[in-house]
Amino acid sequence: SYELTQPPSVSVSPGQTARITCSGNGLPEKYAYWYQQKSGQAPVLVIYEDSKRPSGIPEKFSGSNSGTMATLTISGAQVEDEADYYCFSTASRGYQWVFGGGTKLTVL
Amino acid sequence: QVQLVESGGGVVQPGRSLRLSCVASGFTFSNYGMHWVRQAPGKGLEWVTVISDDGHDQYYADSVKGRFTISRDNSKKTLYLQMNSLRAEDTAVYYCAKDGKVIVVPTAPDSWGQGTLVTVSS
Repeated sequence: SYELTQPPSVSVSPGQTARITCSGNGLPEKYAYWYQQKSGQAPVLVIYEDSKRPSGIPEKFSGSNSGTMATLTISGAQVEDEADYYCFSTASRGYQWVFGGGTKLTVL
Repeated sequence: QVQLVESGGGVVQPGRSLRLSCVASGFTFSNYGMHWVRQAPGKGLEWVTVISDDGHDQYYADSVKGRFTISRDNSKKTLYLQMNSLRAEDTAVYYCAKDGKVIVVPTAPDSWGQGTLVTVSS
């Protein structure tokens, strides 16, 4: 079955840029999506179709997709950005949706 | 403003059944595919199933195929998840989520409910 691979954790100091990667064989052909989930809350979409931001999502969040790797970038990360981040996509053959294992972002 | 409210969770014995519901408001329900996503305690998100806007097409994760059934009633703006032959590993918070695209093959969730907890235990 199709899999997306993320690092379990990323740590940055306040004001630094955090980059979270997501690798998958289908990514050259399929969009990547990114969700933020803070403790005890439902997930929130922060990036869709590789690099687009939903309304209300700060410009600090950006995304890219190149080859078999998608990347979520958080510029000037702050303590309030601490959360679990999940990538999401579909297999290149379609009809199989999957989340990455999630990355815990720590800002300290 | 999109609102999704799940209900029907609870404690159930292994092998038994449970039906979850999700009532939608704030958007034209019949125009969007709908997903169920679950999250076991302390674990990551797991995509479970999706249904097309008209209800004709359903797709499932291998972990629930043959046991879970997704359905919808567009007249009631309600999504359902019928869960049969439940196992301990089905214990999770179940989220209902709206797809981001109108009247196409589902792509990805863009709005989520707050979830309902299902605990499978004897």
